[in-house]
Amino acid sequence: EVQLVESGGGLIQPGRSLRLSCAASGFTFNDHAMHWVRQVPGKGLEWVSGISWNSASLNYAGSVKGRFTISRDNAKNALYLHMSSLRPEDTALYFCARSGLDYTGYLPDHWGQGTQVTVSS
Amino acid sequence: QSVLTQPPSISAAPGQRITISCSGSTSNIGNNYVAWYQQLPGTAPKLLIYDNDKRPSGIPDRFSGSKSGTTVTLGVTGLQTGDEASYYCATWDSGLSAVVFGGGTRLTVL
Repeated sequence: EVQLVESGGGLIQPGRSLRLSCAASGFTFNDHAMHWVRQVPGKGLEWVSGISWNSASLNYAGSVKGRFTISRDNAKNALYLHMSSLRPEDTALYFCARSGLDYTGYLPDHWGQGTQVTVSS
Repeated sequence: QSVLTQPPSISAAPGQRITISCSGSTSNIGNNYVAWYQQLPGTAPKLLIYDNDKRPSGIPDRFSGSKSGTTVTLGVTGLQTGDEASYYCATWDSGLSAVVFGGGTRLTVL
């Protein structure tokens, strides 16, 4: 069974940094690209970033480009999102999601339960 | 403003059939695969349809997907109260080099 468990969320002040983690299990991690998607409570889904199976391809939404960095450690079956210069509008539930294939252009097929990030002074 | 356009809400009675449209452009829907996700209240999204019209194992055939040009459609037959959820379309946008989602459609089963 595919399992994705996010962690690292919390309350953080504007301008500070935070790193989210996603622990993957139940599948061959390095066969799949991975994504981060966020959702403000009561609002729609917003794709944040994607990374190919070998980290060769990294993609970001315009709203986070230059501030967020996605990475992965295939040896640890882990996905990360380093978020810097955080803004109140980054407040959301952040989902880790597995791509159906090994490249970032393919869409998610399994999702974690999310970790909440709240940016506020 | 979402790149993909969906109706914000739709309602129907149990047992009826509904369709949800999602329109985009040649840089996204027109030249890339589309997926549909169902998000029940308080839960993570769940894949309903992938590659425009395919169902993952475990998804009942009451759910269907189709594509014509730059528009995709999700169909649901035999509506059940358990289908009350938000539904999102998504695809890759080649111009943005990004995954894009529709704004979501909230389905109410009266």
